[in-house]
Amino acid sequence: DAGITQSPRHKVTETGTPVTLRCHQTENHRYMYWYRQDPGHGLRLIHYSYGVKDTDKGEVSDGYSVSRSKTEDFLLTLESATSSQTSVYFCAISVGTISSGTNEKLFFGSGTQLSVL
Amino acid sequence: AQKVTQAQTEISVVEKEDVTLDCVYETRDTTYYLFWYKQPPSGELVFLIRRNSFDEQNEISGRYSWNFQKSTSSFNFTITASQVVDSAVYFCALSEPNFGNEKLTFGTGTRLTIIP
Repeated sequence: DAGITQSPRHKVTETGTPVTLRCHQTENHRYMYWYRQDPGHGLRLIHYSYGVKDTDKGEVSDGYSVSRSKTEDFLLTLESATSSQTSVYFCAISVGTISSGTNEKLFFGSGTQLSVL
Repeated sequence: AQKVTQAQTEISVVEKEDVTLDCVYETRDTTYYLFWYKQPPSGELVFLIRRNSFDEQNEISGRYSWNFQKSTSSFNFTITASQVVDSAVYFCALSEPNFGNEKLTFGTGTRLTIIP
């Protein structure tokens, strides 16, 4: 599992409330990602990080912000949750580097089921 | 823009039959990587394979095999002698590598059901 922990695993919240999801890794990997999974859409990239305080937008970043103040933690925040953000959220890390000669793989956390009522 | 198409939404086969999951991709990059992931009913995403665009050799791993054809932009996945434990959603994905930064574009997935 490459040492990835997502919290919480499940959350129910109300429209308009702020929500923060946490992704924690134990192996000091540089690249971290947040994806959301929805029926009929597969997984779509929300935001990613390439280092402490270095983040960038993905395909579906509207309504989301991220922060990475430490290598091991990557936080996803919904400033004001909407029903369209009901989804399963996956954190992922990129393992391996070209310079090391190892194959890059994307390992995923166990996911967070978020329901916005 | 990159795109991955998995036209088969759902497939059902009887146990021990062979089954092929199709994946067609679009990219303008000459260097790219293709992936397959398995998502069993428990929900986690399990890495199966990563193949780079310069390696068109087919790969076999036990009952799993992958056929990569650049001429048709396809990266198909075959399970031989299927088993109930193969029941899952399978995702094909494409990335443009950038020094370890793997931003994947996923297909919509194929739900495979193996009937005992």
